[in-house]
Amino acid sequence: IAGITQAPTSQILAAGRRMTLRCTQDMRHNAMYWYRQDLGLGLRLIHYSNTAGTTGKGEVPDGYSVSRANTDDFPLTLASAVPSQTSVYFCASAPSGRTDTQYFGPGTRLTVL
Amino acid sequence: AQTVTQSQPEMSVQEAETVTLSCTYDTSENNYYLFWYKQPPSRQMILVIRQEAYKQQNATENRFSVNFQKAAKSFSLKISDSQLGDTAMYFCAFMGGNTDKLIFGTGTRLQVFP
Repeated sequence: IAGITQAPTSQILAAGRRMTLRCTQDMRHNAMYWYRQDLGLGLRLIHYSNTAGTTGKGEVPDGYSVSRANTDDFPLTLASAVPSQTSVYFCASAPSGRTDTQYFGPGTRLTVL
Repeated sequence: AQTVTQSQPEMSVQEAETVTLSCTYDTSENNYYLFWYKQPPSRQMILVIRQEAYKQQNATENRFSVNFQKAAKSFSLKISDSQLGDTAMYFCAFMGGNTDKLIFGTGTRLQVFP
């Protein structure tokens, strides 16, 4: 079934630990995105990638890193998690990026204690 | 910088009735794209409707339609014949014509009552 998968579905993490959120799409979309969703703030862009091998910073990139080694995968890494990174994280993809509709994965709920 | 404002944190409507969710935005661009996404309790973000700013005709998708007022920078969503399954958070989003970054509003929580 075509779409975007994210793993894990949810995670509780101790502060200071490293964590990688996984995102995989099988639609051969060039562009991929990571957002975080916080109550009362909507979704905010963390990092994005217009094509494999390139990445860029979004609105709230601090404390996060990404890589795009191939078209399908776009992992998001928290090098040393802090409680303010408690959020729901959404991965999204779009066919070619600019002006395209973005399609979202099911999200990962992350709690940092 | 572009901003998106949804001034109704919560709304409710009775089943089979019509409800309108408001969205305003601020931009200096002439070419851009607007979206409504639905987020049901399952958490999945689902595209409801998309509007290109260069199109004068309002977009429609079955029971969902928009009232796009470019001069007023307003983009409201009308849901006709509301169904229980329409209960969700609804997010308005803006994308500039020279970028692929979505800017979201803070959302409107819609409750449909039987």
